Amino acid sequence: DTGVSQDPRHKITKRGQNVTFRCDPISEHNRLYWYRQTLGQGPEFLTYFQNEAQLEKSRLLSDRFSAERPKGSFSTLEIQRTEQGDSAMYLCASSLPGLSSTDTQYFGPGTRLTVL
Amino acid sequence: AQSVSQHNHHVILSEAASLELGCNYSYGGTVNLFWYVQYPGQHLQLLLKYFSGDPLVKGIKGFEAEFIKSKFSFNLRKPSVQWSDTAEYFCAVNVRGGADGLTFGKGTHLIIQP
Repeated sequence: DTGVSQDPRHKITKRGQNVTFRCDPISEHNRLYWYRQTLGQGPEFLTYFQNEAQLEKSRLLSDRFSAERPKGSFSTLEIQRTEQGDSAMYLCASSLPGLSSTDTQYFGPGTRLTVL
Repeated sequence: AQSVSQHNHHVILSEAASLELGCNYSYGGTVNLFWYVQYPGQHLQLLLKYFSGDPLVKGIKGFEAEFIKSKFSFNLRKPSVQWSDTAEYFCAVNVRGGADGLTFGKGTHLIIQP
């Protein structure tokens, strides 16, 4: 299967710890997106990359959140000093934009974070 | 900024019933529209999408949606549902040509009773 993959699938951490999640996009996709989904809500957009450039990061929830995509392939999302309110599913998506900015995003299985 | 409203948060139908899930968005410019589905224990999958052209779009598994620009709507339909259609359905939108992610509605939890 060559879909979007995310690691780990589940993460349990204690409040105040740092966590890092990894996303591997579909191989030829140059855009990569991060979303957060809480219970009963749709996914909420956080940030995105085109190749290695982070083109939108104003939606990151606080300065404790950061993302990287150093070589334009996989990406990491880091949350520093986790809080209980950070408990959520973190989703990654990738796309290869077509003509006229027709952009279809394909999602990975997500990383479920639980902060105790 | 754009927003998406899904009117029905929980829908329960019997097999073979017809389905229509409402979706309205607010944005004054040109948008791309999507419906995603999340089956129990699985990740989000694309059902169908609208970029331009024929406002009636067909997707996988017999689903279709109609874009009505004057109503800012993109309702999802299926003439006869099956038990396997039990899932969470999300409507989403992004701005054509914009540098932004998708804006999702809150989702509709659909339960099909055998």
